[in-house]
Amino acid sequence: QVQLVESGGGLVKPGGSLRLSCAASGFTFSDYYMNWIRQAPGKGLEWVSYISTTSSFTNYADSVKGRFTISRDNAKNSLYLQMNSLRAEDTAVYYCTRGLPSGYWGQGTLVTVSS
Amino acid sequence: EIVLTQSPGTLSLSPGERATLSCRASQSVSSNSLAWYQQKPGQAPRLLIYGASSRATGIPGRFSGSGSETDFTLTITSLEPEDFAVYFCQQYGRSPHTFGQGTKLDIK
Repeated sequence: QVQLVESGGGLVKPGGSLRLSCAASGFTFSDYYMNWIRQAPGKGLEWVSYISTTSSFTNYADSVKGRFTISRDNAKNSLYLQMNSLRAEDTAVYYCTRGLPSGYWGQGTLVTVSS
Repeated sequence: EIVLTQSPGTLSLSPGERATLSCRASQSVSSNSLAWYQQKPGQAPRLLIYGASSRATGIPGRFSGSGSETDFTLTITSLEPEDFAVYFCQQYGRSPHTFGQGTKLDIK
């Protein structure tokens, strides 16, 4: 069955960096666009970024453009999100999702940006 | 960016009743690339509807989507206890792939 397992979240100070990972299994990873979507505590959903199957195309929400970088390793069935210059407003649960639209979601990993 | 506005913010109904949720877009959504998700407390969202009106795998027939261009509707006929949750719409036709702010469906 399809599984998406995020890791790498935690507590980081403003201005710091964090790298999220998503391990995919149960499907041919290289066949699907992948996304990062986040949800601040008690708030709605915010699309963050997506990446095409061969990494040839990526796109970002304006709120993270220039600070976050999405990447993937099809040989390792893994998706990544490098997050730099983190701000308090980046505090959220970050979900790894498959496809457009997001047919499968991981359980999420919590990122807390606080001093 | 396409702004999605969901209404109402909260909908209070009883089991067995019919729920109608609205999602209005600030611009036409290309190719009806509009999805609906359900989220329960402490869980990740679940895809219900894609392409405005196609049910995702395993979604019960009481869930249906309709609409086009800028006006979309999610209808749940005869509410079951497990349907009380928060519902989000998302357009994925044009980047950024924006979400609506959500409609909370709670038990009256």
